[in-house]
Formats: sequence, C-alpha cells, structure tokens
Amino acid sequence: DAGVIQSPRHEVTEMGQEVTLRCKPISGHDYLFWYRQTMMRGLELLIYFNNNVPIDDSGMPEDRFSAKMPNASFSTLKIQPSEPRDSAVYFCASRIGPNGNEKLFFGSGTQLSVL
Amino acid sequence: AQSVTQLGSHVSVSEGALVLLRCNYSSSVPPYLFWYVQYPNQGLQLLLKYTSAATLVKGINGFEAEFKKSETSFHLTKPSAHMSDAAEYFCAVSDREAGGYNKLIFGAGTRLAVHP
Repeated sequence: DAGVIQSPRHEVTEMGQEVTLRCKPISGHDYLFWYRQTMMRGLELLIYFNNNVPIDDSGMPEDRFSAKMPNASFSTLKIQPSEPRDSAVYFCASRIGPNGNEKLFFGSGTQLSVL
Repeated sequence: AQSVTQLGSHVSVSEGALVLLRCNYSSSVPPYLFWYVQYPNQGLQLLLKYTSAATLVKGINGFEAEFKKSETSFHLTKPSAHMSDAAEYFCAVSDREAGGYNKLIFGAGTRLAVHP
C-alpha cells in the first residue's frame, strides 16, 4: 500500500483565496483524522471521521474551515477565505478499527503558506 | 479529558550518550500512550505504544518507554544516541470518549539534536 497520500505537498496562496487540501487514506481504514501543526500550537486535531461520517469537529478553528469525506477513499479540508494565520502544515492520518490503541498512519503533510 | 505534557522542547545529546525524553500524562481512565517520531518534512511515525500490557515497552530503532502509574509518566529512552535519531518526538494519549478511545492527543513535541 502507498500509505496515506496528501496533495498538494506545498500550497502558496494569497489571503482571501480558497484553499482545498486533499487526502487519500489507506485502503480499508475506517477512521480519518485531520491535524494542523504550527510552531506555536503544536499538533492539533481539527476533525475526524468514522466510516465517512464526521464524528468530532470541535477542533475546527472557525467557520472558514470545512471538511468532507464523500467516500471511503477521499477527504478534503477547505479553507475559505484563507488568512495568513492559517499558514501551517496540515496532516491527514488514517487508522483501522474502533480502539484507540491502533496505529495511526500519517501522510507527509501539506505545507500551506497564506501570504 | 486526557492530556500529555512533554518536558523540554529541545534536548541535545552527544552521539553515544543516553537519550531521555520526558512525558507526563493526565488521565482519569487507564490510558493508551504512544511515542511518535517526525523526521524533517515527513509525517509522524509510530515508535512504540503502551496498551496496559507490560509496563516496559520496546519500540523501533532501539527506543523503549516505561509506564509508571505512580508518577503518571511515560518517558522515552535509548541507551546510545545515533546521529540518525535527530528528529522531533511526540508523546500522545488516546482520549477516551463515548464508544471507545478515538482521538489521539499529542504533546507539544521535543526536538532531539545529536552532535558528534
């Protein structure tokens, strides 16, 4: 398996523009997580899905952020409109099974820069 | 809710020296605890995990961690550092909520530097 695949690897955009980050989880994994990593706040959980259904979005910072999972093999995280403080590395991760002791597999991340 | 605190955002050791990265957790239920490593420009990779079996857990690359309930600690150690161990290390706890342990909550991370 190719692992968790994220695209794009790098995104540079201007303030006010819409940004869409994409993630393909590992086949067969039924949990998908979006994390944001910044120097100031470390690694924060934004939202996670189970069987394509959003379970907890309490970490989504504002209404400007939205996430979808239309099917088991694809998820998007959208920021509209983007702001400079959204600049961060966004990670997607997936896992199989309902137990929290299962290994979480991370993608390589999307480095977002909002100018 | 569970949480973890990593003591020391930066640790520097000499090659061949002992590595000790500290992690304390807060949990009202038996926790699941993890250590992940992040190399530059990469995602996080699992080093080891504690799931209430043996208190001393061995992971990859010669790392191990000991769960100490009395100290609420889960420190990561390696007897002899190698240059390739230079990375950022994250301690994490699985947050228990209705239906099971679902969310993984990470500490702030400790950046390990290894010098010759």
